[in-house]
Amino acid sequence: GAGVSQTPSNKVTEKGKYVELRCDPISGHTALYWYRQSLGQGPEFLIYFQGTGAADDSGLPNDRFFAVRPEGSVSTLKIQRTERGDSAMYLCASSPGTLRRNEQFFGPGTRLTVL
Amino acid sequence: SQQGEEDPQALSIQEGENATMNCSYKTSINNLQWYRQNSGRGLVHLILIRSNEREKHSGRLRVTLDTSKKSSSLLITASRAADTASYFCATGLIQGAQKLVFGQGTRLTINP
Repeated sequence: GAGVSQTPSNKVTEKGKYVELRCDPISGHTALYWYRQSLGQGPEFLIYFQGTGAADDSGLPNDRFFAVRPEGSVSTLKIQRTERGDSAMYLCASSPGTLRRNEQFFGPGTRLTVL
Repeated sequence: SQQGEEDPQALSIQEGENATMNCSYKTSINNLQWYRQNSGRGLVHLILIRSNEREKHSGRLRVTLDTSKKSSSLLITASRAADTASYFCATGLIQGAQKLVFGQGTRLTINP
């Protein structure tokens, strides 16, 4: 079956602009995660959804970052007033949503560059 | 902040040799997972080991977990050029086990 997909694959924007990054999880996966990865580093957790609700948003760096998952499937990560420091690879993952099976399946990522 | 730390940060070996990567972590865990990443793109899940398990195998992969030392190792036997990638350990914590905390990774290069 289809894996996790993310669009766009690359996004270049100017400082101060607003961007939206989209994630389509694996069908039937109730849990969805967003991570951010800087060059040479491991992914850092941003937010986790169980169904439609954000179960843990402790990784969002500030209030310019927001994510939604209105119907419990597709999720959008929204970044307002982008800054050069927001440049990174943004990774989305999904999982079946149970603790016994929380291996996560990652999408290819969106590389965001803020000029 | 990163929970796990991989060691070494970079490893270069000849094809056919075994590769061993280590991971240490700081807090109690529910499980530990290893992922592979090629060329800075998406991560691929390799293996999950639960906190009550000590060793697990999957094909050419062998993972060990020592919760008393808060460490894990990933062994890749009979390495191939296609194994060249970055390898990350990630811990699922007891509190909030759903979110993973990643280390900084080991960059593995297999020379033909």
